[in-house]
Amino acid sequence: QLRLQESGPGLVKPSETLSLTCSVSGDSISSSTNYWGWIRQPPGKGLEWIGSISYSGSTYYTPSLKSRVTISVDTSKNQFSLRLSSVTAADTAVFYCARHNGDSYVDQLDYWGQGTLVTVSS
Amino acid sequence: QSVLTQPPSVSGAPGQRVTISCTGSNSNIGAGSDVHWYQHLPGTAPKLLIYVNNNRPSGVPDRFSGSKSGTSASLAITGLQAEDEADYYCHSYDSSLSADVIFGGGTKLTVL
Repeated sequence: QLRLQESGPGLVKPSETLSLTCSVSGDSISSSTNYWGWIRQPPGKGLEWIGSISYSGSTYYTPSLKSRVTISVDTSKNQFSLRLSSVTAADTAVFYCARHNGDSYVDQLDYWGQGTLVTVSS
Repeated sequence: QSVLTQPPSVSGAPGQRVTISCTGSNSNIGAGSDVHWYQHLPGTAPKLLIYVNNNRPSGVPDRFSGSKSGTSASLAITGLQAEDEADYYCHSYDSSLSADVIFGGGTKLTVL
């Protein structure tokens, strides 16, 4: 059974960089053609796609965050990561990692992590 | 404001049928982009409910169905059950100049 688990600091100071890692078990990132993505949900709001990455490192980001986001993959650890720079309180959200069920970042997301709350505050 | 518009809330009594709409435009649903639906209970991982407009993943009851027409899509739930009370989101792709993966704003389903 495929499982995804987010990890990282739950509190980040304004202007600093948010860093999260998604550990994948039950499937090998390097042996699949799937894309892997990050999605967030601010408190009281809806889901927002942040970006996605392929096993080979091809990335796609939502335009509104593109200048601040970097998603990378470490196939040796079967993990992929998110970095969001220059954060503000508006970046406070529950962050989810998920798998796209296909070889495109527009495919449906069939497996999700439980999510991790990141609060931006001094 | 989301590019895909959903009603903020819908409600129905147990056993009834409800529908949730997802209205887009000619740069996303109307352009042929597929629509997917998720069920989300607070504090849990979103669950894929419908993919590629009208397909159910294994394990999803046939009480849930999806459809798409023109620039809109819909999720229908029949035989409403208390456990269906959750937030529902549609998901698609917008091929405008700022090409983007997009979610609807979400709909809170209340089972009366």
